[in-house]
Amino acid sequence: QVQLVESGGGLVKPGGSLRLSCAASGFILSDYYMSWIRQAPGKGLEWVSDISSSSSYTNYADSVKGRFTISRDNAKNSLYLQMNSLRAEDTAVYYCARELSPGGWFDPWGQGTLVTVSS
Amino acid sequence: EIVLTQSPGTLSLSPGERATLSCRASQSVSSNYLAWYQQKPGQAPRLLIYGASSRATGIPDRFSGSGSGTDFTLTINRLEPEDFAVYYCQQYGSSPRTFGQGTKVEIK
Repeated sequence: QVQLVESGGGLVKPGGSLRLSCAASGFILSDYYMSWIRQAPGKGLEWVSDISSSSSYTNYADSVKGRFTISRDNAKNSLYLQMNSLRAEDTAVYYCARELSPGGWFDPWGQGTLVTVSS
Repeated sequence: EIVLTQSPGTLSLSPGERATLSCRASQSVSSNYLAWYQQKPGQAPRLLIYGASSRATGIPDRFSGSGSGTDFTLTINRLEPEDFAVYYCQQYGSSPRTFGQGTKVEIK
């Protein structure tokens, strides 16, 4: 079945870096755009970044532009999010999600990985 | 960016009742590019509706979406115990894609 599994979350100090991974299975990753979406504790959802199927196009929310980098390795069925210069307000559960239509809705989502930025 | 405002914040209903959730956009959503998701505690969101009214694969027909322009509605007929959750709307008609703040459907 279609499945997305995130990893790489954890506790990091302000100004630090972290790299999230998302392992895809049950579908051909190279056929789809992919996104990262985050949810601060007890809060709503915020789209963070997306990447086209061949990595030729990437897009970022203003809140992370210049600090986060999305990438993918279709041969390894994996999506990544490199997060630098982390701030307390980046604390959230980070979900990877497939875009069934480029720039569209998200389905499915992974189970999420928690990133906590705190000293 | 398009701001989505969901109402009410919390809906208290009993199993078997109908739930009507509203999502209002700050400007018209292009081509009715609006989706709805369900999220239960500790779980990832699950897609229910896309294109304002198309049910996702495997979603029961008691869930229906309607609306256009700036006003959209998610209706859940005959609430089942597993339907008590938080529901989010999301627009994908313009960049950046944005979500509403959520409506919690709780057991009365």
